[in-house]
Amino acid sequence: AQTVTQSQPEMSVQEAETVTLSCTYDTSENNYYLFWYKQPPSRQMILVIRQEAYKQQNATENRFSVNFQKAAKSFSLKISDSQLGDTAMYFCALIPSEGAQKLVFGQGTRLTINP
Amino acid sequence: ETGVTQTPRHLVMGMTNKKSLKCEQHLGHNAMYWYKQSAKKPLELMFVYNFKEQTENNSVPSRFSPECPNSSHLFLHLHTLQPEDSALYLCASSPPRKQVYGYTFGSGTRLTVV
Repeated sequence: AQTVTQSQPEMSVQEAETVTLSCTYDTSENNYYLFWYKQPPSRQMILVIRQEAYKQQNATENRFSVNFQKAAKSFSLKISDSQLGDTAMYFCALIPSEGAQKLVFGQGTRLTINP
Repeated sequence: ETGVTQTPRHLVMGMTNKKSLKCEQHLGHNAMYWYKQSAKKPLELMFVYNFKEQTENNSVPSRFSPECPNSSHLFLHLHTLQPEDSALYLCASSPPRKQVYGYTFGSGTRLTVV
């Protein structure tokens, strides 16, 4: 079975600091897709960044980047120069194979950016 | 606003009531999903629809009845619910065969069963 694990239920950093959220996953497939979603208090789940497993290069979207370690099945999210608007729940998620439609989520990490 | 609209935003219902949740998207997506988000639990996939046909039912109790009349609309009919069904219900959609680019989610319906 495919699983996603986020071991940090809560994190808190000061504004402008860099923070890294951890995620590990398990799948037996070779081609799969990983995502980080952000859920602010408005409840809307917003896609932050995605990574294809067959790509070795780590994905980057402005202040957000990932450290994808395929052998270790690790997919961490780094937020640089954190802003107050980054305060949200962050979910790591997996589509376990090319044809799959099931997006498997981790438990989430509540991130608070303090002024 | 992402393009996926869910109504109502909040719903309180008794265990004997019948109510429906509505999800609407005009993104041209042909796949739609219902997820349940409970406190301190990962999001749980409930149902998947592709081109109006249900393709996955993740062992959901029959007191939850989905309906997809067309590719733009998805409903979740609720009846005889239990207090443990209280949760945030999220709808999502994705383009056909391009779900690997990620889903688009609505803001959810916060359901409280009393």
